[in-house]
Amino acid sequence: AQSVAQPEDQVNVAEGNPLTVKCTYSVSGNPYLFWYVQYPNRGLQFLLKYITGDNLVKGSYGFEAEFNKSQTSFHLKKPSALVSDSALYFCAVRSRAMFSGGYNKLIFGAGTRLAVHP
Amino acid sequence: EAQVTQNPRYLITVTGKKLTVTCSQNMNHEYMSWYRQDPGLGLRQIYYSMNVEVTDKGDVPEGYKVSRKEKRNFPLILESPSPNQTSLYFCASRQEGLTEAFFGQGTRLTVV
Repeated sequence: AQSVAQPEDQVNVAEGNPLTVKCTYSVSGNPYLFWYVQYPNRGLQFLLKYITGDNLVKGSYGFEAEFNKSQTSFHLKKPSALVSDSALYFCAVRSRAMFSGGYNKLIFGAGTRLAVHP
Repeated sequence: EAQVTQNPRYLITVTGKKLTVTCSQNMNHEYMSWYRQDPGLGLRQIYYSMNVEVTDKGDVPEGYKVSRKEKRNFPLILESPSPNQTSLYFCASRQEGLTEAFFGQGTRLTVV
């Protein structure tokens, strides 16, 4: 079964410190990989994606993510956390295979709540 | 402004009373989807549509209906809501050839 795992329910980090939010996936082929962020009472906002090429992708608000094919991971990182980064973060994947069931849907992890303390 | 608009944002209803949550996108996207978000489960796809008059079930379609009569609109219909459909619902759209989806603001539904 295809799945996405975010092993930490919550990540706590002090402002100014680097942060990492982990994501691993179990999906056949080479899926598209995404990170979305959800602020309180807001919809999901797209942060970044991995399609192909450089394993380190840069996204919005200073976030970046590192793709590791051998470990099937796509960890979200930021060099220096801000209190305003506190939110719920979702990792998601989508199949590249046009005629597979996974092409038309995003498979999400359960989410990781990031708390950045002053 | 490019956006996906859902209405209503909040809804409290009683078991069995039919309701519709509307979704509209102004980006001329072919693909539209509905997801529900539940704690500890992330988001799960309910239904999706690849274009006008083309819809199909996602992972959790039971108790829901959709229609796609116009490209911009993709309403979610609960014919007889039950308490287990209490959830946060998101509509999303994306363009063929583009990979990321754009999400609406969400509809928090409570069925009592």
